[in-house]
Amino acid sequence: AQSVAQPEDQVNVAEGNPLTVKCTYSVSGNPYLFWYVQYPNRGLQFLLKYITGDNLVKGSYGFEAEFNKSQTSFHLKKPSALVSDSALYFCAVRENSNYQLIWGAGTKLIIKP
Amino acid sequence: KAGVTQTPRYLIKTRGQQVTLSCSPISGHRSVSWYQQTPGQGLQFLFEYFSETQRNKGNFPGRFSGRQFSNSRSEMNVSTLELGDSALYLCASSTRRTASTDTQYFGPGTRLTVL
Repeated sequence: AQSVAQPEDQVNVAEGNPLTVKCTYSVSGNPYLFWYVQYPNRGLQFLLKYITGDNLVKGSYGFEAEFNKSQTSFHLKKPSALVSDSALYFCAVRENSNYQLIWGAGTKLIIKP
Repeated sequence: KAGVTQTPRYLIKTRGQQVTLSCSPISGHRSVSWYQQTPGQGLQFLFEYFSETQRNKGNFPGRFSGRQFSNSRSEMNVSTLELGDSALYLCASSTRRTASTDTQYFGPGTRLTVL
């Protein structure tokens, strides 16, 4: 069965430091992986996705994610965190041939000035 | 291009009532998915509609239903409301052309409070 794990409920980072939000997945076929961000009282915003090819995917707002097939991970990263990056981040996976997304529980990212 | 719109943005209902939420997808998007988001349960998939047909369904009771119209707009209905139905209801649209490239785009949500 497909599954996604975001092992950290909350991540705290100082402004200006690099940030990583972790995501691991389990699918039986080729994974298609997504990151979304949710600001308070808002819907989810698409950040980036991995389909195939280069393992480093660049997305919106300076975020990038690294796909690691051997570790079945798709961690979200940013070289220098901003206070405005504070939000809830969701990882999702889709297995090929199935349109339904499987969602992680979300990670709250707090960037402190 | 206009984004996904959801109406109303906020609703207050009492137990036992029913409610209908509306979602207008991005122009050209024919798939609409609905999610329930609560602090304790996270993001839970309700159902997906494509070409006026329900394609996928999550694990929710029959009180939760939906439909899609020929213009791809979708509605979801919750009958006999319970306190536990209080949540943010999110709708997402996509083109559903290929499983590999299909990306869901979300609306702002409808905040339902059941008293």
